[in-house]
Amino acid sequence: DIQMTQSPSSLSASVGDRVTITCQANEDISNYLNWYQQKPGKAPKLLIYDASNLETGVPSRFSGSGSGTHFTFTINSLQPEDTATYYCQKYDNLSALTFGGGTRVEIK
Amino acid sequence: EVHLVQSGAEVKKPGESLKISCECSGYSFINYWIAWVRQMPGKGLEWMGIIYPGDSDIRYSPSFQGQVTISADKSINIAYLQWSSLKASDTAMYYCARAGGSYFLDYWGQGTLVTVSS
Repeated sequence: DIQMTQSPSSLSASVGDRVTITCQANEDISNYLNWYQQKPGKAPKLLIYDASNLETGVPSRFSGSGSGTHFTFTINSLQPEDTATYYCQKYDNLSALTFGGGTRVEIK
Repeated sequence: EVHLVQSGAEVKKPGESLKISCECSGYSFINYWIAWVRQMPGKGLEWMGIIYPGDSDIRYSPSFQGQVTISADKSINIAYLQWSSLKASDTAMYYCARAGGSYFLDYWGQGTLVTVSS
C-alpha cells in the first residue's frame, strides 16, 4: 500500500508570502497526484490535477510540481481567502486514491 | 452543469442500518467513477472506495473493505453508500465525488453528516 506523507501539518504565513507544501510517496506514482483545498464546513475543491495542471477557474497563484515520489504545492502571494486546509491525493496501480494528512494554512 | 446532490443528515443508533445516496446530473453517469470519502470530526479526508456505474466495478480501500457497501443504480444516476450495522465510530461527514481522468476528484457532493449515538 503506497503511503503519502504530507508536510507541514500546519503553517502560518503573512499575506503576500509564498507558501510551499510537500507530499512524498513511498513508491513511484508517476504524476498521479492531485491537490485540494477545503474550507471549514465545505466540501473539498480540486485545485491541481496530474501534479501540475491548474483546474479551470483556479487562480494562477496556485501551482504544483513534481513526479515520481516527491511533489510540491505552492501558493504564490498568499491571500486572506486562502486560509484553508490543503490535501494531496494520489492514485496508484492498485486503484487506491489515498489522501495525505492535510496542511492547515493560516494567515499571521 | 455537473451536480452531485447527497441525501440529508442522518441520526442513527448503534447497530442500525443506513443507506445514503448521491444523485448525479449534468454528465454521463455511466462513464465516470464515483468515489466515497469519509471525514471524521476535526480530521482529514479518507478514501473509502470507488465505483464505475457503467459496469458496477467497485474498489474498496482496505480500511473499509467489509465495513461498507458501495453500489449504484445507473437507471436513475444515483450512487449509494450503506452500512448494515452502524457503530459510534461511523460518525462522520461522508462525501461523494466524481473521478475524472486519472482519478482526480473534480466534482463533489455537499456531504452527508451521519451521527451514530445511543
